[in-house]
Order: sequence, then structure tokens, then C-alpha cells
Amino acid sequence: NAGVTQTPKFQVLKTGQSMTLQCAQDMNHEYMSWYRQDPGMGLRLIHYSVGAGITDQGEVPNGYNVSRSTTEDFPLRLLSAAPSQTSVYFCASRPAGTEAFFGQGTRLTVV
Amino acid sequence: EDQVTQSPEALRLQEGESSSLNCSYTVSGLRGLFWYRQDPGKGPEFLFTLYSAGEEKEKERLKATLTKKESFLHITAPKPEDSATYLCAATGGYQKVTFGTGTKLQVIP
Repeated sequence: NAGVTQTPKFQVLKTGQSMTLQCAQDMNHEYMSWYRQDPGMGLRLIHYSVGAGITDQGEVPNGYNVSRSTTEDFPLRLLSAAPSQTSVYFCASRPAGTEAFFGQGTRLTVV
Repeated sequence: EDQVTQSPEALRLQEGESSSLNCSYTVSGLRGLFWYRQDPGKGPEFLFTLYSAGEEKEKERLKATLTKKESFLHITAPKPEDSATYLCAATGGYQKVTFGTGTKLQVIP
């Protein structure tokens, strides 16, 4: 079992560029989420999904899109990167009502 | 609005010096209180889930406890390998999980 796999691990973007952060899980979990982690602010929920075809916004959704066509995959799209989106991004998955399993993170820098 | 506050922000201990980390929460209808460990450059790693006041869970040198307003992570006789950031999170519903900002623990040999 690989758990939750995120790619890439590091990325540098120029302002205005778009990109997709990939997340895949092999545990057949219903719930998947994207968080960003910034110094002094804790983990903040961007978007989440409760199953294939179902997504919803979290606390800080602006500038990000998600889709969930399969149980395994939950990509996060940055539409037009801004310096304020410089952060570490974590994908997590879990069964309903239990603890989350996190990926190793993607460190994104927008210049 | 749900809130989770952790203290202290940072803690420096000598090896073998026991202490506690605090997590205060304000969550309507608590469904779970989670503790995670995060090493630099890694994702959070799950430690414990507590569901109701009075519950306790242990793992090696760590013991987590829960009251109606707080959770504590007690570290007994810590070792340098216990150095990490410890995150607390609480949920009142399936997807609304609120994280604290963490306590950075350093254990000095």
C-alpha cells in the first residue's frame, strides 16, 4: 500500500501560470481533502470530496479548482498562480468519520 | 466558529524531562479530537483519536487525554527522536476538521 501519493514534491511557478497538483490514494477511502499549510496558520481546508463526482469548498477555495472522477484521484488545479498561493499543500484521505491519512506534501513557490 | 488553540508554540525539553502539550477547542458537537505528529518536510502522521471526555490513549511515551474543553498530550521521559511538531485537530462533522497551529517540540540529549 502506497497510502496517499502527491506529485510533484516541489514546484516553482511564475505569476499567472496554471498547474495541477496530483493526489492519489489506494485505500479506497470515500473522503479526500486538500489543505494548505502556512507558517503560524495551521492547516486550512481548500476543497474536499465525499465521493466520486462530489466536491465542495472548504475554508480557502478561491483560486483553486478540483474534480473527482474516480475514488482514487483528487487533483487540485491552480487557475492563475499568485504569490499568495506560495505554500505547502497536503492531500488527505480518510474513511467516513475517522482520522485522515496525509500525503508528503507539495512545496509550491510562486514568483 | 470552531476554534482549536495549542500551547505552547514551542517547547524545549531535556531528554527524560516529562511535560504536557495543551489543545483547547471550541467545537459544536465534538465528533473527534485528533493528534498528529509532523516531522520537517513531511505530512502529518496520525497518533490518536479521542471521542469523549475522560477518554485516554497511550502509545510508547505519549499519552493523550480529553476533557470537555481541552486535550493534553503527555510526553513521559522524552527522547531526541520525539522532536517534531505536534498538531491537534477537532471535528464536529465529517469534513469540517479544524487544526491548531501546532507545538514544536525539541528534545535535547
